Amino acid sequence: DTAVSQTPKYLVTQMGNDKSIKCEQNLGHDTMYWYKQDSKKFLKIMFSYNNKELIINETVPNRFSPKSPDKAHLNLHINSLELGDSAVYFCASSQWTSGRAGGANVLTFGAGSRLTVL
Amino acid sequence: GQQVMQIPQYQHVQEGEDFTTYCNSSTTLSNIQWYKQRPGGHPVFLIQLVKSGEVKKQKRLTFQFGEAKKNSSLHITATQTTDVGTYFCAGKTSGTYKYIFGTGTRLKVLA
Repeated sequence: DTAVSQTPKYLVTQMGNDKSIKCEQNLGHDTMYWYKQDSKKFLKIMFSYNNKELIINETVPNRFSPKSPDKAHLNLHINSLELGDSAVYFCASSQWTSGRAGGANVLTFGAGSRLTVL
Repeated sequence: GQQVMQIPQYQHVQEGEDFTTYCNSSTTLSNIQWYKQRPGGHPVFLIQLVKSGEVKKQKRLTFQFGEAKKNSSLHITATQTTDVGTYFCAGKTSGTYKYIFGTGTRLKVLA
């Protein structure tokens, strides 16, 4: 049983189209994230939800819209796709803990969704 | 904004040689994590360091957190072909949910 599952695994589409990526976790975690990994392997955080509330919203074009219907699901919708959106998008989840460490989350990543925009 | 850099960007070693990657943050961290991503795979959590000067070991891997909590290192002794992948540090400052990933070090081990 996959802990963090993303669909689709591969997505090839034309510029200007709209597409969605879905993520589900069965770990009972309360926080979910979207990360983008470009061709140079840099991992950049995009969004995060804690108990369905948006807590991290990085400087991402507003063509990207996350949605969290419940704390086990986090979807990413992308409008008007551009060539530069081609990347691997990773969903991750964690259980937020506070304390002396200033809070700690161990991130569990999904297998990734490779988006290619032609 | 907060930046986390890693050096080297790439490292090729002969099997059996040691390997070290260094992670430097522009800001003081509350804790730091290390992840490994195999080629074609996803990042997998290795370890978390919390205390200033902390050293942790996992078999052939040794992790250190700097005294000022702004840098960290991962050292692998006697590399094996199974160590191939990209190693990322990820740092967090106190009071935020956000882990900023380092630029990564891609390790290739030649048999």
